[in-house]
Amino acid sequence: NAGVTQTPKFRVLKTGQSMTLLCAQDMNHEYMYWYRQDPGMGLRLIHYSVGEGTTAKGEVPDGYNVSRLKKQNFLLGLESAAPSQTSVYFCASTRRTPNEKLFFGSGTQLSVL
Amino acid sequence: AQSVTQPDIHITVSEGASLELRCNYSYGATPYLFWYVQSPGQGLQLLLKYFSGDTLVQGIKGFEAEFKRSQSSFNLRKPSVHWSDAAEYFCAVVLPNAGKSTFGDGTTLTVKP
Repeated sequence: NAGVTQTPKFRVLKTGQSMTLLCAQDMNHEYMYWYRQDPGMGLRLIHYSVGEGTTAKGEVPDGYNVSRLKKQNFLLGLESAAPSQTSVYFCASTRRTPNEKLFFGSGTQLSVL
Repeated sequence: AQSVTQPDIHITVSEGASLELRCNYSYGATPYLFWYVQSPGQGLQLLLKYFSGDTLVQGIKGFEAEFKRSQSSFNLRKPSVHWSDAAEYFCAVVLPNAGKSTFGDGTTLTVKP
């Protein structure tokens, strides 16, 4: 099983450019999450989804948008990238409730110049 | 403010020595508690979790953690550290009826030969 797959693995953007990160899971999980990881700051939740067609804001949602049109996919969009969005982005999912084990993707390294 | 704290940013131990990583939480209710490990360039992997019952929980790779309600703590321990344990360790909590996990800032473990 592939588990949680993130694409792309690396990306370099110029300030003001837009891009979409794709997260796909093949485990039929209900909950999906987008985190960003910055040195010394742990993982901070950007947005999450409790099921197909739903999204909710996390701790640091500004500058990001998400969509969950299909249960297996959770897209994270940056409409106008800023250097402050340089980070490693992780997607994660849980099977039925948020109290369960998180399954993580391998991350996307994004640099905004 | 509600939070989860890992007081030690960086810990160095010698191979074969014992290890304890600290995690404290500040919430009104007892949350669900997790420890994850992250190897360089990888996503996070669950080590163990506590929901209820026996306050000493066993995890993978020889790790264990003890929940102490009176101290609002969930410290991770290992009796004898191996060089392959060098990684970053994250404590995470999920509040009842919350839709998401909250992570501590992480502790980086270095293992000396």
